[in-house]
Amino acid sequence: GEDVEQSLFLSVREGDSSVINCTYTDSSSTYLYWYKQEPGAGLQLLTYIFSNMDMKQDQRLTVLLNKKDKHLSLRIADTQTGDSAIYFCAESIWGGYQKVTFGIGTKLQVIP
Amino acid sequence: NAGVTQTPKFRVLKTGQSMTLLCAQDMNHEYMYWYRQDPGMGLRLIHYSVGEGTTAKGEVPDGYNVSRLKKQNFLLGLESAAPSQTSVYFCASSPQGKGANEQFFGPGTRLTVL
Repeated sequence: GEDVEQSLFLSVREGDSSVINCTYTDSSSTYLYWYKQEPGAGLQLLTYIFSNMDMKQDQRLTVLLNKKDKHLSLRIADTQTGDSAIYFCAESIWGGYQKVTFGIGTKLQVIP
Repeated sequence: NAGVTQTPKFRVLKTGQSMTLLCAQDMNHEYMYWYRQDPGMGLRLIHYSVGEGTTAKGEVPDGYNVSRLKKQNFLLGLESAAPSQTSVYFCASSPQGKGANEQFFGPGTRLTVL
């Protein structure tokens, strides 16, 4: 079955780059996502990548996908205190609807 | 547009009580979902719906029922609450189709069962 794994915690200094890593198990994943959850709020989509792409860049965010190793990463350049949140990696598989499996989330702490 | 709204925001129940969580979306989305979020467990899908009048079981459906009588609303019911159902519940909706189909989440309902 589908499984998504990510580390629990990452601490970086303001202005540095953050890299959050994720591994997934299902090679038939169609899309891979990064969602952000701020305290007391629901998840919000940050970015996604189609499974036939290697990289996607969106302003300060860079997503890298290594399909051979089933490894996804999210790089946040020039990390700000407002980036402190929990980041969820997720994969989707089409089965009549986009079935999404979420990781447990990586808590990013940005130190001023 | 309000997006996805959930009521109530907080609730405390005693074991054996029942309640209904309401989710509403104003984006005309076909698909709607109920998740629960527990520490160290991530989000787990309880039930989902691919259209008005249809529902299906997700990963952890036991102890919950759902209804989708109107396209914009998705109700989650607990008939006899148990302490194991203490959690934060999130509703989400997404458009139809094979695209990336971003899921839009509500703000969550924090439920405590004593």
